[in-house]
Amino acid sequence: SQELEQSPQSLIVQEGKNLTINCTSSKTLYGLYWYKQKYGEGLIFLMMLQKGGEEKSHEKITAKLDEKKQQSSLHITASQPSHAGIYLCGADMDNQGGKLIFGQGTELSVKP
Amino acid sequence: DSGVTQTPKHLITATGQRVTLRCSPRSGDLSVYWYQQSLDQGLQFLIQYYNGEERAKGNILERFSAQQFPDLHSELNLSSLELGDSALYFCASSVAGGNQPQHFGDGTRLSIL
Repeated sequence: SQELEQSPQSLIVQEGKNLTINCTSSKTLYGLYWYKQKYGEGLIFLMMLQKGGEEKSHEKITAKLDEKKQQSSLHITASQPSHAGIYLCGADMDNQGGKLIFGQGTELSVKP
Repeated sequence: DSGVTQTPKHLITATGQRVTLRCSPRSGDLSVYWYQQSLDQGLQFLIQYYNGEERAKGNILERFSAQQFPDLHSELNLSSLELGDSALYFCASSVAGGNQPQHFGDGTRLSIL
């Protein structure tokens, strides 16, 4: 089983709709990172969360960290075609300084 | 543009061969990470270097090795290549080790024929 589970695996939404992607860890989270990837390209850093209850925003994207539940959610408001891509969560699970475990990714398509 | 430079972008070679992938971190970053991304395994951590020293090791095969040079660039060496080594190899860098954002390069796509 995956140490870091993302859901859903894929998502198709109509432009303008809101959506949420979840990332659940089987272990304690010492840091949680959200990235966006276009297929076959590099990862673009979106946000880093470290403390339980922390919430950060980047343009129309908001991420929260629920430390007790060992879970993070990524919420996109009023989705646009430019939001399409693969969203990956990465986690520091051993607090040793850098190694990230990644989820399998959520592929988002936004229909105009 | 993340500021992390990887070369080459594409590499096609045959089984049994050896290749070297190169990474230049962002200016000022001391830590370099290597990851492998494949369809079946997803994105997997291989190894981390900090200021020339190995800091952490993941599921890196014995056929693979890496180093970080005094100018902080890093190389990942893959030898005795097998078909299953075909993947996207990413380098990432951060200012230091620890909980800091890692910035990824565009990757090297390795195809083994």
